[in-house]
Amino acid sequence: KAGVTQTPRYLIKTRGQQVTLSCSPISGHRSVSWYQQTPGQGLQFLFEYFSETQRNKGNFPGRFSGRQFSNSRSEMNVSTLELGDSALYLCASGDTPSGNTIYFGEGSWLTVV
Amino acid sequence: GENVEQHPSTLSVQEGDSAVIKCTYSDSASNYFPWYKQELGKGPQLIIDIRSNVGEKKDQRIAVTLNKTAKHFSLHITETQPEDSAVYFCAALGPYNNNDMRFGAGTRLTVKP
Repeated sequence: KAGVTQTPRYLIKTRGQQVTLSCSPISGHRSVSWYQQTPGQGLQFLFEYFSETQRNKGNFPGRFSGRQFSNSRSEMNVSTLELGDSALYLCASGDTPSGNTIYFGEGSWLTVV
Repeated sequence: GENVEQHPSTLSVQEGDSAVIKCTYSDSASNYFPWYKQELGKGPQLIIDIRSNVGEKKDQRIAVTLNKTAKHFSLHITETQPEDSAVYFCAALGPYNNNDMRFGAGTRLTVKP
């Protein structure tokens, strides 16, 4: 089985721009969650989707949004980028609605200049 | 919400020695506790997990113990090898209808040859 695939792996954006990151979960997995990882804040939960519905959201501003498609693929979007948004964005997939093992992708490295 | 604390933040051991990383959690309802290993430039990789109905779990050189009364769990790595050098994260998840995993701040383990 292929693992969690995230694209793009690396990108550089300018302040004020917006960015869309994509995640393809492990085949058969319907839960997709997103995390932001920075040296100062560690791994922080952004949001989680299951069967196209957002079930939970972390403490991030409304500039961070996401969605999930019927094939379980997910995208997250960050609008009006700020320097502090520079981070590794990780997607994780799971095969049950709750309390299950989640598997991470390699992440998308975002640098905002 | 759940709060996970992890200690130590850095750990250096000699090859062949044991390493122990400890985590505490705040939500007594949490029932799933995974450990992830993250190597430089990669996403976190699940190495072992434990559920609240079990006190200890082993997988070759790796073991995890859970004390539900004290709300803490630990990762034990025996006979450490240089390739064990990485950042290790603990996490906790409650029995809620989501996969909102809360992570510790991470431990950077260095195994000296």
